[in-house]
Amino acid sequence: EDQVTQSPEALRLQEGESSSLNCSYTVSGLRGLFWYRQDPGKGPEFLFTLYSAGEEKEKERLKATLTKKESFLHITAPKPEDSATYLCAVLTGGTSYGKLTFGQGTILTVHP
Amino acid sequence: NAGVMQNPRHLVRRRGQEARLRCSPMKGHSHVYWYRQLPEEGLKFMVYLQKENIIDESGMPKERFSAEFPKEGPSILRIQQVVRGDSAAYFCASSPPGQGVRIVQPQHFGDGTRLSIL
Repeated sequence: EDQVTQSPEALRLQEGESSSLNCSYTVSGLRGLFWYRQDPGKGPEFLFTLYSAGEEKEKERLKATLTKKESFLHITAPKPEDSATYLCAVLTGGTSYGKLTFGQGTILTVHP
Repeated sequence: NAGVMQNPRHLVRRRGQEARLRCSPMKGHSHVYWYRQLPEEGLKFMVYLQKENIIDESGMPKERFSAEFPKEGPSILRIQQVVRGDSAAYFCASSPPGQGVRIVQPQHFGDGTRLSIL
């Protein structure tokens, strides 16, 4: 069974204090790893797709990286508006569609 | 920006009643997914549908739950004879048609329906 574990469960940062969130996975046949952001009372908002080890994607203050066992979401000089729950999910199997297996998420709080 | 639309946003039912949750996918999207988020738990897959077909229902409880995505109209998640344990946020997601097996299409989520059972 596919497993996705995110750490830490919660992270408090001061504005401008860079850090990383971790997503480790145990799956068979990774097709893609996804990062989402979820604000309270909202649905997950898509951030990145990573396909293979060594791949990196960037968007504003966020950079996602992927190895064979884990992914990192690096947050550079965060701002209070970056506060949210960050979710990692994997798609496995032989197709480009299907169920995502999610981690429990990391709750990020950025203090001004 | 016409994203995934879910309604109602909040639904209150008494034990034993039926709950119907609706989801209109993004324009041009032909794949629909339903997920459930129980209090203090992560998102769990329930079912994956294409128009008029259930592709994967491995996450659906065996009884009381059903889903459809008709040729016309929104996708419906139906829960019959609701119980307290059905209280959760139900999210729908959609993704566009494929661009080849090497391209994995991200799923885009609606803002969910919060179901409360009295």
